[in-house]
Amino acid sequence: KNEVEQSPQNLTAQEGEFITINCSYSVGISALHWLQQHPGGGIVSLFMLSSGKKKHGRLIATINIQEKHSSLHITASHPRDSAVYICAVSGFGNEKLTFGTGTRLTIIP
Amino acid sequence: GAGVSQSPSNKVTEKGKDVELRCDPISGHTALYWYRQRLGQGLEFLIYFQGNSAPDKSGLPSDRFSAERTGESVSTLTIQRTQQEDSAVYLCASSLALRGYYGYTFGSGTRLTVV
Repeated sequence: KNEVEQSPQNLTAQEGEFITINCSYSVGISALHWLQQHPGGGIVSLFMLSSGKKKHGRLIATINIQEKHSSLHITASHPRDSAVYICAVSGFGNEKLTFGTGTRLTIIP
Repeated sequence: GAGVSQSPSNKVTEKGKDVELRCDPISGHTALYWYRQRLGQGLEFLIYFQGNSAPDKSGLPSDRFSAERTGESVSTLTIQRTQQEDSAVYLCASSLALRGYYGYTFGSGTRLTVV
């Protein structure tokens, strides 16, 4: 079993739909990161969470430390949101990131 | 520079040859990370630098892999006696602070193909 599990693996939705991507982890963590990997391969940091909730534009990320679970939400989805979204966690006193396998999101116009 | 620069962007090498991959981080970013992404797979941590020191080398797959960083700037990942299983995209990222507190900036990667 991977230490970081993401669901769904693939998600196709219509433009405008509300999107939720889930991440569960099995180890104690100091931080959780959401990353976006574009079709060309470039990776962008979206959020770093250690508790609570963060919002940036149409993106919202939440984390529940007790349940070892995080969600990434996209409101009013747009075709340009199509990408692979990756969850990654780091342990205490540890810079090593452990990655989920990613969720491939496709938004259809 | 404005972003993290990696070179070469593509490298095809013969099995058994040595390769050097270079990463130029954002100026002032003290933390530098190397990751590997094999085709169709997730990212794997290789090594990170804090300044010029590498406190965690646990992700290096074998003793054929080594990395160094000089002047708290450029880093080089060297793979000796390359094998076909080394074929992957090698990504470098840098960060202003540890734990990616201000986020990570990734380079575009070096696509290594061992034939």
